[in-house]
Amino acid sequence: GENVEQHPSTLSVQEGDSAVIKCTYSDSASNYFPWYKQELGKGPQLIIDIRSNVGEKKDQRIAVTLNKTAKHFSLHITETQPEDSAVYFCAASTQAAGNKLTFGGGTRVLVKP
Amino acid sequence: AAGVIQSPRHLIKEKRETATLKCYPIPRHDTVYWYQQGPGQDPQFLISFYEKMQSDKGSIPDRFSAQQFSDYHSELNMSSLELGDSALYFCASSLGPGGGYTFGSGTRLTVV
Repeated sequence: GENVEQHPSTLSVQEGDSAVIKCTYSDSASNYFPWYKQELGKGPQLIIDIRSNVGEKKDQRIAVTLNKTAKHFSLHITETQPEDSAVYFCAASTQAAGNKLTFGGGTRVLVKP
Repeated sequence: AAGVIQSPRHLIKEKRETATLKCYPIPRHDTVYWYQQGPGQDPQFLISFYEKMQSDKGSIPDRFSAQQFSDYHSELNMSSLELGDSALYFCASSLGPGGGYTFGSGTRLTVV
């Protein structure tokens, strides 16, 4: 089955700096890669996603890049703000697998004012 | 906008008891997924339903069962509860199995 590795497990940045989280996946059939933000006591919230026919996608301060050949994808947050502090999960899925998500281990991001 | 509704938000049960978790998907969403998240861990896929039929099964114990009803809501039934079942249980819904997910706020189950 699919295996998703996520790094780093914790990330501390100064407000205004950029944060980068990287994920690798094992199943070359995976074609959908969402990123979720999870705050304490809440469910994961989709912040951005990318499909395998796209190499990069941007939404305001958030961008995701995908390298299908190398089987890795990354989340970039620019101009970080204290409210960006949360746990971020990458995930991967394939249509053929019923769209179940395999999550990475999560990255705890702390943005220091 | 309407979100995925889960009930109850919190549940405390004793070992060997049973529990039923409910999930109400976003209106018109026909696909429901259940995930279990242990403390400090990533969500693990349990089971999913599309158009009231089981579409995929993950690491769900035999003590657990689930179904999706005609109004598309879903229930996760958990029997012979063990201490290790204590976790956050999330439901998510999508329009079709290829759609993007929306997660509910979860049910925190504590087994004592």
